[in-house]
Amino acid sequence: SQTIHQWPATLVQPVGSPLSLECTVEGTSNPNLYWYRQAAGRGLQLLFYSVGIGQISSEVPQNLSASRPQDRQFILSSKKLLLSDSGFYLCAWSSSGWSSGNTIYFGEGSWLTVV
Amino acid sequence: AQSVTQLGSHVSVSEGALVLLRCNYSSSVPPYLFWYVQYPNQGLQLLLKYTTGATLVKGINGFEAEFKKSETSFHLTKPSAHMSDAAEYFCAVSDKGSARQLTFGSGTQLTVLP
Repeated sequence: SQTIHQWPATLVQPVGSPLSLECTVEGTSNPNLYWYRQAAGRGLQLLFYSVGIGQISSEVPQNLSASRPQDRQFILSSKKLLLSDSGFYLCAWSSSGWSSGNTIYFGEGSWLTVV
Repeated sequence: AQSVTQLGSHVSVSEGALVLLRCNYSSSVPPYLFWYVQYPNQGLQLLLKYTTGATLVKGINGFEAEFKKSETSFHLTKPSAHMSDAAEYFCAVSDKGSARQLTFGSGTQLTVLP
C-alpha cells in the first residue's frame, strides 16, 4: 500500500531564517505531488504541484519554493521566512493517471510557526 | 474556472441527530466531487468521492453524499451524529484530466453536542 511521510511535524523558526520541509511517498511510482498551506481558520491553498522530477508548477507568488529531486521526494523551501508564512503545511500525492478519479492523499502535516 | 462553496463555516448538531453539510460547486465540465475530513492537527482523509455512475455515494464512517447536477450540489449527510464526527469537513471539485487537481471549499467545522 502507499504511504506518505512528511517532516518535521512541528517547527518554530525566527523571521528571516531558512525553511526546509520534506515529503516522501512510498509504494507508488511517478506520482503527482503537491504542497498545500492551511492558515489558521482558513481553507487549503495549493502552493505547488509537480507531475515529474524537476517539473514544478507554482500556484501563488511568494517567497517559498519547491523542488523534486527524486521521483517520490518533494521539498518545500524558503531562504528567508516571513511572519505570514506561519501555518499548517500539507504534502499530498495522487496517481499520475486519471482512472483514480484524481483522488489526492494527504500527509499528516507540518506546523510552522514563524516568530 | 471551477469553484466550491460550503454554506456554513460552523455547524452544530446534537449527538444522534442528522448531519447535513452543504456544498455547491461551479464547473464548466462534468466534475469529480470529493468530501474530506480533517481531525485536529492532522492531514485530510478522504470520506467519499463521486466520479461517474450512481449519484448517491456512500463513504466511510456512515457518511453519504448525493450528486445533484440540476442543483450543482454535493451535500454530505449522516443519519445519526456521533461525538467522534466532530471535525472539519472540506468539499472539493476536480476537472477531469487536470494535473492541478482539486479546488477546495473553505471548510465546515462540525461540532457534536452531547
